[in-house]
Amino acid sequence: SQTIHQWPATLVQPVGSPLSLECTVEGTSNPNLYWYRQAAGRGLQLLFYSVGIGQISSEVPQNLSASRPQDRQFILSSKKLLLSDSGFYLCAWKRQVNTEAFFGQGTRLTVV
Amino acid sequence: EDKVVQSPLSLVVHEGDTVTLNCSYEVTNFRSLLWYKQEKKAPTFLFMLTSSGIEKKSGRLSSILDKKELFSILNITATQTGDSAIYLCAVVEYGGSQGNLIFGKGTKLSVKP
Repeated sequence: SQTIHQWPATLVQPVGSPLSLECTVEGTSNPNLYWYRQAAGRGLQLLFYSVGIGQISSEVPQNLSASRPQDRQFILSSKKLLLSDSGFYLCAWKRQVNTEAFFGQGTRLTVV
Repeated sequence: EDKVVQSPLSLVVHEGDTVTLNCSYEVTNFRSLLWYKQEKKAPTFLFMLTSSGIEKKSGRLSSILDKKELFSILNITATQTGDSAIYLCAVVEYGGSQGNLIFGKGTKLSVKP
C-alpha cells in the first residue's frame, strides 16, 4: 500500500531563516506531487506541483521554491522566511491526473 | 474570484441530525469533483464524482453531482460527534496544473452530543 510521509509536524522559525520541508511517498512510482498551503479562512492553495524528477511548476509567485531530487521525494524550501510564510503546509500525491489525491499529515509553520 | 464555493461555512448540529453540505463551482473544463474530510491534519478522501446524478455512498455519507447546475451536495445522516470536522470540496479541471485540486474554503461541522 502507498503511504506519504511529511516532516516536521511543527516548526517555529525566525524571520530571515531558511526553510526545508520534506515529503516522501512510498509504495508507488512516478507520482504527481503537490505542495499546498492552508491559511486560516482560506482554502488550500496550490504552491508547486511536479510530474517527474527535476520538473517543478510554480502556481503562485512567492518566497518559496520546490525541488524533486528523487522520484518519490518533494522538498519545499526558502532561503529567507517572511512572517507571511506562516501557515499549514500539506504535501499530496496522485497516481494520475484524474485520481484522488492523498495528503501528508502537514507541517504547521510559524515564523516569528 | 473563487471558483469553488462551499456553504454553509460552519454548521452546528446535534447527534442524530441529518446535514447537507453544499459545493458550487465555476470552472471552464470540469473534470471531477472531490470531497475530503479534515479533522486535525491531513484531509482524508471521501468521494470523487465525475458523472451527474449518480450517487456515491459510504455508510452514512453520500454525495451527488449536478453538472448542469454546477454543484454537488454531501449528505451525512444520523450524525455522530466523530463527524465533527472541516469538509472540503475540490474540483479538477482538464488542462490546468496537472490534476491540481481547486479547493473551496470548507464547511466546519460541529456535532454536539
